Parts: sequence; C-alpha cells; structure tokens
Amino acid sequence: ETGVTQSPTHLIKTRGQQVTLRCSSQSGHNTVSWYQQALGQGPQFIFQYYREEENGRGNFPPRFSGLQFPNYSSELNVNALELDDSALYLCASSPGTGPNTGELFFGEGSRLTVL
Amino acid sequence: QKEVEQDPGPLSVPEGAIVSLNCTYSNSAFQYFMWYRQYSRKGPELLMYTYSSGNKEDGRFTAQVDKSSKYISLFIRDSQPSDSATYLCAIRGGGGNKLTFGTGTQLKVEL
Repeated sequence: ETGVTQSPTHLIKTRGQQVTLRCSSQSGHNTVSWYQQALGQGPQFIFQYYREEENGRGNFPPRFSGLQFPNYSSELNVNALELDDSALYLCASSPGTGPNTGELFFGEGSRLTVL
Repeated sequence: QKEVEQDPGPLSVPEGAIVSLNCTYSNSAFQYFMWYRQYSRKGPELLMYTYSSGNKEDGRFTAQVDKSSKYISLFIRDSQPSDSATYLCAIRGGGGNKLTFGTGTQLKVEL
C-alpha cells in the first residue's frame, strides 16, 4: 500500500512568486487536506478537497488555492508569496469526510522557503 | 485563547521514565482526540485515536480523555531514546475532517 507522497520536498522562492505543491493520496483515500506548519508550531488547516471540490477551508487568504484531480491527487497553489509563507506544507489523506472516517495519514511535507 | 493549548517543552527525561504529555481545549463540540508523533523533518504519524472519555491503551502508550475538564493526556511508559520526537495533540469536531492541533511538545529521552 502506497502512502501519501508529496513533491517537491524542498524549494526556495522569492517574494511575489507563485508556487505549486503536489500530493498523491494513499490508495483508496478520496479526501485530501492541506496543512501549513510554521517552525515550532502545530499544523494549521488550509483546506480540504473531496470529489474534486473544496470541502472546508481554514483562515487562509484566497491566494492559497487548490485542486483535486479525478485520481484524488491534489495541488496546493500559493500566489504572491510572502516571507511568512515559509513553512512545511503537509498533505493528508483519508477515506472520507465524515467524522467516523478515521485518522488522517500525512505525507512528509514540502518545505518552502521564501526569501 | 487558542482552541487547543499544549506545553511546547522541551521535555527531557531519562530512558525508562514515564512521560506525561498534556493538552487542554476550549470547544466542547470537539469529539475526536488524537496524538501524533513527528520526527524531525518528517510528517506527523498517528499514535492514538479516541472519541470517548476514559483511557485507551496501546502497548507503552495510554491516551486519556476527560471531556468534563476538556483535558487530554498521553502517557508513555518505559520511554526509549527512539521516542524522542515532537508530540502533537489534535482534536476534531463539528463535522468534516479538519484537525485543530496543539503547538507540539518536543520530547528527548536520554540514555
């Protein structure tokens, strides 16, 4: 069984640029969530995708956007990068959206540095 | 007030010690309680998952939930150097899969 995979693992961008991060969900999982983890902090919920539609969003501005594809893989896009966007971006998958769908399985993250 | 409060540590203990990690939360709608372990430069991995008050045991790990006090704990018995990691409490409730995390407690188990 393949776990959650994310790419790239590390990247460096400059302020104002745009970035796309990618995630392949665990086999059989149709729901993908994205989290931002700043250094020394717990992960913060960005949004969740279920059946290719956004299904819940945290307190992040519209320049954070996403997509989910028919194979359940997902992208996180961030426009107009700011220094505070430097963080570990985590993708997590789960087998559904309801409260009894069990745990989230996390990938190892994409570490973004904005200079 | 943060929805989930967790002492960030760091916490350093000798090998074999019993470790107690704690979180408090403010929203009584929270129903599902998890502990994740995160090694340096890795993603979080689920350790324990419970949805009721009381204790749940898995090997050396015991998760404890007290909904009346809005307090959750993770106990690690016979701690090992391999337990050195950051431990994150995570809580879910109110529908959907959104998790609200604590800041994480950094644990070091020394030989």
